[in-house]
Amino acid sequence: EAGVAQSPRYKIIEKRQSVAFWCNPISGHATLYWYQQILGQGPKLLIQFQNNGVVDDSQLPKDRFSAERLKGVDSTLKIQPAKLEDSAVYLCASSPIQDPKEYFGPGTRLTVT
Amino acid sequence: AQSVTQPDIHITVSEGASLELRCNYSYGATPYLFWYVQSPGQGLQLLLKYFSGDTLVQGIKGFEAEFKRSQSSFNLRKPSVHWSDAAEYFCAVGARTGGFKTIFGAGTRLFVKA
Repeated sequence: EAGVAQSPRYKIIEKRQSVAFWCNPISGHATLYWYQQILGQGPKLLIQFQNNGVVDDSQLPKDRFSAERLKGVDSTLKIQPAKLEDSAVYLCASSPIQDPKEYFGPGTRLTVT
Repeated sequence: AQSVTQPDIHITVSEGASLELRCNYSYGATPYLFWYVQSPGQGLQLLLKYFSGDTLVQGIKGFEAEFKRSQSSFNLRKPSVHWSDAAEYFCAVGARTGGFKTIFGAGTRLFVKA
């Protein structure tokens, strides 16, 4: 089966610019996650969707970050405006409903200059 | 609150030597436990997982881990390390919060010397 797809793989922007990342989960997976992984740290959950509803967004900086999962399939994560500290790898993962095992995409490496 | 501690930021072992990476967790219920590996520039690859049953679990690439409830630990082991095992290793706990979410440790970087 096809894995979790993410694009772009790399992005370089200047601070205060906007950026968007896209994720296509494994077909049939109801749950979708966005993680932020800062260099030298473990991934941190930003937001979790179940179908097109938000389950957990407690660690999402809502003043600048937004995410949506229209139609319960693809998802987009946006940062507006970006700050230097947003430089990180953004990982998308998906899982079947009520399944603790997550399948990770390759990630998008964001550099904010 | 759920948390995962990996006490060793980095470990260096000689090729062919045995390896043990430590992981301690804090979780009120029976945990779902994972070990992932991440090579530079690569995504996360699942090595093994523990959901229930036998507390010694076998994974890919010759890795195994043992769940010890009394010690809240889930240490990763390999009897003989290969140079290609050099990578970052993450322990994680799956917490049930409505759905499931995974909480990661900070990682242990493994260096392998010839």
